Amino acid sequence: AQKITQTQPGMFVQEKEAVTLDCTYDTSDPSYGLFWYKQPSSGEMIFLIYQGSYDQQNATEGRYSLNFQKARKSANLVISASQLGDSAMYFCAMRDPSGGYQKVTFGIGTKLQVIP
Amino acid sequence: EAQVTQNPRYLITVTGKKLTVTCSQNMNHEYMSWYRQDPGLGLRQIYYSMNVEVTDKGDVPEGYKVSRKEKRNFPLILESPSPNQTSLYFCASSAGTGFGVYEQYFGPGTRLTVT
Repeated sequence: AQKITQTQPGMFVQEKEAVTLDCTYDTSDPSYGLFWYKQPSSGEMIFLIYQGSYDQQNATEGRYSLNFQKARKSANLVISASQLGDSAMYFCAMRDPSGGYQKVTFGIGTKLQVIP
Repeated sequence: EAQVTQNPRYLITVTGKKLTVTCSQNMNHEYMSWYRQDPGLGLRQIYYSMNVEVTDKGDVPEGYKVSRKEKRNFPLILESPSPNQTSLYFCASSAGTGFGVYEQYFGPGTRLTVT
C-alpha cells in the first residue's frame, strides 16, 4: 500500500497568490514525522518543513506552512505569496517506526509552476 | 561548508560493467541513505546506513550494494548494471533518525545511463 500519496501531478499558481499542495499518508503508528522537500529544475533537494505527529500546532517556516489534519491523515503544504522561484517539484515524505525510523517514504511529487 | 558530495555527476556506461558512485558527507552525520528518482515514481530508497558497518535494505535494493567502512563515506556499487538502473541517484545524510526533525541533506545527484 502506498504510504504517501500526492494526487496533483502539476499545479499552476499566479505570482503573489497562495497555493496548497496536497499530501496524504498512511501509517498505523502514532509516532511519525512528515517532511516536505523542494526540487528546483537545477535538481538539488532542499528541506522545507517538518511536522511531528504529536505537534500541537501546524509547522511554519517563513512562507511555508503545513496544514496538518491528523484525523484525515493529511499534511498539505501551503506556500503563501508565491514567487517565481517557487516553481519546482515538491515532495512529501514520511518517517515512521515501521522501518525503525530509518526508512523514508516519498510521494511521487507535485510540479508547481508559478505564473508571472 | 556543510555538504554531501557525489561523484560522478553524470555517467554513461554499458550493461554489465561494474561501477561505483561515491558519496561523502562532512557533517559527521550518523545516517546515510541512497535513493533513485524516476519520473512518476518519486524517490525510492535503495539502502540506508545508521552507522559504520551497519547497512540495511530500502524498498528497491535489487542490483545494488553498499558499504559503510567510514562514517563519512557511503558508496553505491552496481556490480552488473542493467538498463533498468538508468536513473537519477541521490545520496543523503542526516544527524540521526528516530522521532524528530532529522531532515536529510542531499547530494547534487548522479545521472546514470546504462546502455
